[in-house]
Amino acid sequence: NAGVTQTPKFRVLKTGQSMTLLCAQDMNHEYMYWYRQDPGMGLRLIHYSVGEGTTAKGEVPDGYNVSRLKKQNFLLGLESAAPSQTSVYFCASTFQGSPYEQYFGPGTRLTVT
Amino acid sequence: LAKTTQPISMDSYEGQEVNITCSHNNIATNDYITWYQQFPSQGPRFIIQGYKTKVTNEVASLFIPADRKSSTLSLPRVSLSDTAVYYCLVGLGPFRTNAGKSTFGDGTTLTVKP
Repeated sequence: NAGVTQTPKFRVLKTGQSMTLLCAQDMNHEYMYWYRQDPGMGLRLIHYSVGEGTTAKGEVPDGYNVSRLKKQNFLLGLESAAPSQTSVYFCASTFQGSPYEQYFGPGTRLTVT
Repeated sequence: LAKTTQPISMDSYEGQEVNITCSHNNIATNDYITWYQQFPSQGPRFIIQGYKTKVTNEVASLFIPADRKSSTLSLPRVSLSDTAVYYCLVGLGPFRTNAGKSTFGDGTTLTVKP
């Protein structure tokens, strides 16, 4: 049981490039979340999903898109990366719609130059 | 969403009990209080959750007064490995409509010294 995994662990992009971050969970969780964490700050919710085929915007959705084609996977896309998107990205999942126990992945450190 | 206020940082020594208080004056009737722990370069980890009075597990205790406008996370006999950032979250009850209403704030950085 791997829990929540994220791919890649590190990435450097140039401004304007695109990329997709992959989150996978093997716990059969219904809900999945994408957060970003800037240095010295707390986590901010980007997008979330309450089930396969559904997504919704969080606190800071601009510049990101997501897809949940399969229950176990939640993809985060950056269509045209900007330096302001330099951050650590965390994926999380949970059985319920609240963080009774959100299980977090190890994070993806993204730098946009 | 209920806004939370926590101390930015706290220091303690090994073996001491640490209490971290979170203020949430505009907590709603259906809101729960959840605490997470985050080590450097890792994702947050769930510690404890409660609605009212006292909740205890093998890691910590959570004290919630009757008015629920604040809560206190208590860590008994801390060790160096408890050095981490602790986040208080409010407004995340077990309802589908609450999904996505997660605000972690900036947390409290606890430093445990030998």
